Amino acid sequence: DAKTTQPPSMDCAEGRAANLPCNHSTISGNEYVYWYRQIHSQGPQYIIHGLKNNETNEMASLIITEDRKSSTLILPHATLRDTAVYYCIALNAGNNRKLIWGLGTSLAVNP
Amino acid sequence: DTAVSQTPKYLVTQMGNDKSIKCEQNLGHDTMYWYKQDSKKFLKIMFSYNNKELIINETVPNRFSPKSPDKAHLNLHINSLELGDSAVYFCASSRDRYNEQFFGPGTRLTVL
Repeated sequence: DAKTTQPPSMDCAEGRAANLPCNHSTISGNEYVYWYRQIHSQGPQYIIHGLKNNETNEMASLIITEDRKSSTLILPHATLRDTAVYYCIALNAGNNRKLIWGLGTSLAVNP
Repeated sequence: DTAVSQTPKYLVTQMGNDKSIKCEQNLGHDTMYWYKQDSKKFLKIMFSYNNKELIINETVPNRFSPKSPDKAHLNLHINSLELGDSAVYFCASSRDRYNEQFFGPGTRLTVL
């Protein structure tokens, strides 16, 4: 599985868009980009995933560059409850896939 | 209704003891997982079961033994607990091995 690189921390003002970057320059063609988050003292929560195309759901949007070497998770209107550690994971499509977790980005949404 | 539940939430015990953590999911999922999150917050996969069959078994001491009595349950038994076993243990489930995972609230294990 490709290694991902994320900034250790970011700040965002409440109500503004939070744009969380992720580099995955060694990603292979069959590896998906998954995003999870972990709010303090809770279990991780799935957010979104994609392969090539941009994706959107009720929680967030995922923008993947054309060369697939990086992606951005967008929380369109961040709230205080979005304060969490956000993990970007590249996951292959084969059998027995394993999520390999890094340290993620600690996002602080400020009032 | 809790989708993935774990018991107990907190577990404090002495070195050398044997303990179990239970996990249940009511999502009808086929695949279940155990993760360990250490003090540095790294989350590592330990085991995964698909339809009660072990499919992932990471380099984990054999003091750790998972048991899946049915698809909805995956329990973790730990023998001869050591100080280094202190961590938060998360259970997760997914529809199958290819889909997103849903996590339980975690069990904080403290070994004294």
